[in-house]
Amino acid sequence: NAGVMQNPRHLVRRRGQEARLRCSPMKGHSHVYWYRQLPEEGLKFMVYLQKENIIDESGMPKERFSAEFPKEGPSILRIQQVVRGDSAAYFCASSLGQGELETQYFGPGTRLLVL
Amino acid sequence: SQKIEQNSEALNIQEGKTATLTCNYTNYSPAYLQWYRQDPGRGPVFLLLIRENEKEKRKERLKVTFDTTLKQSLFHITASQPADSATYLCALENQAGTALIFGKGTTLSVSS
Repeated sequence: NAGVMQNPRHLVRRRGQEARLRCSPMKGHSHVYWYRQLPEEGLKFMVYLQKENIIDESGMPKERFSAEFPKEGPSILRIQQVVRGDSAAYFCASSLGQGELETQYFGPGTRLLVL
Repeated sequence: SQKIEQNSEALNIQEGKTATLTCNYTNYSPAYLQWYRQDPGRGPVFLLLIRENEKEKRKERLKVTFDTTLKQSLFHITASQPADSATYLCALENQAGTALIFGKGTTLSVSS
């Protein structure tokens, strides 16, 4: 039973390029969450998606960042025109449903380095 | 806005002792609180969830308490082992019920 998968595990981009981070939730999970972890900081919520819908994107910067979770395929977090401040670990989590009993299972993360 | 604090950034203890980690929160009355473990280079792993009407919860060598009056949760690891060395995160559900708010974590080091 595969867990949450994220790829790539490491991504290096130059300033101004685009970064695409992929997340495949656990089998049967239809809720996906993206978090960002900056060095020396805690995990910060970015966006919560269900299949084909963005439920809450209040933690995501309005500019340059977007997320999707299509009917088929992985969830994608896209960062356009990356800047050095985007360097961080990006974690995806999935859950079976929403609510207190629905534990979030985290992937291994994608470490983005912007040169 | 909701705020969650883990008082110690780092905690060093000897093998066999009990480690106690603290999590405090403000501006919110959560229905439950969760604890996660994170190892370097890895994603967080869920450990325990405790609800507001539960004073204490146990799982093997782990024990969590939840004091809604003090707005505090304590996380205990008894008979600690070097393998328990990791960063421990507490988390609350946000008021919208759409995501978790995490503390910065406490890094525990257990020496043999």
